[in-house]
Amino acid sequence: ELKVEQNPLFLSMQEGKNYTIYCNYSTTSDRLYWYRQDPGKSLESLFVLLSNGAVKQEGRLMASLDTKARLSTLHITAAVHDLSATYFCAVARRETSGSRLTFGEGTQLTVNP
Amino acid sequence: DARVTQTPRHKVTEMGQEVTMRCQPILGHNTVFWYRQTMMQGLELLAYFRNRAPLDDSGMPKDRFSAEMPDATLATLKIQPSEPRDSAVYFCASGLVLGQVHEQYFGPGTRLTVT
Repeated sequence: ELKVEQNPLFLSMQEGKNYTIYCNYSTTSDRLYWYRQDPGKSLESLFVLLSNGAVKQEGRLMASLDTKARLSTLHITAAVHDLSATYFCAVARRETSGSRLTFGEGTQLTVNP
Repeated sequence: DARVTQTPRHKVTEMGQEVTMRCQPILGHNTVFWYRQTMMQGLELLAYFRNRAPLDDSGMPKDRFSAEMPDATLATLKIQPSEPRDSAVYFCASGLVLGQVHEQYFGPGTRLTVT
């Protein structure tokens, strides 16, 4: 059974600081997704990482994937209040149907002024 | 701007009643997913379809839940009879599978409360 673990689950940080959210998964996969969810809202796709060593950046967020370590990171640079949200990673099983995602528990990020 | 739509957005019902949630996937997408989100369990996949055929519904309680895609523009999730433990937010997502690569786009969700 594929397990996806995120840490930390709760993160409170000050504006302007940097931090990293980690996502570990238990079985082989070559696709990893990061989503953002604001309170009471739906999930918004942030990044899709498709291969070992993949790195993607959008604004103050940068995601990377190490398939050998089964680890993805979401790095936040110079955080701003607008980044406050819950961030989920999700891993696709390597199976013939190719579509099933298993989500981590989510990291609730609060950026304080 | 193409979006997944879900109706109703909110539903309050009494235990034992039937609940039907509807989803319109993004036009041209060939996969549809139903997820349930609760504080305790997080995001759970209930069922998914590709080209309208059910591929996996192992996450769904079979005795009371059913999911169908009567046509390419409509997916339904039905609970009969509903129970208080079914209270959750139910998300529909759609995606386009090209080989093994795709993204899932989530709808706004249906917030279900069963009293």
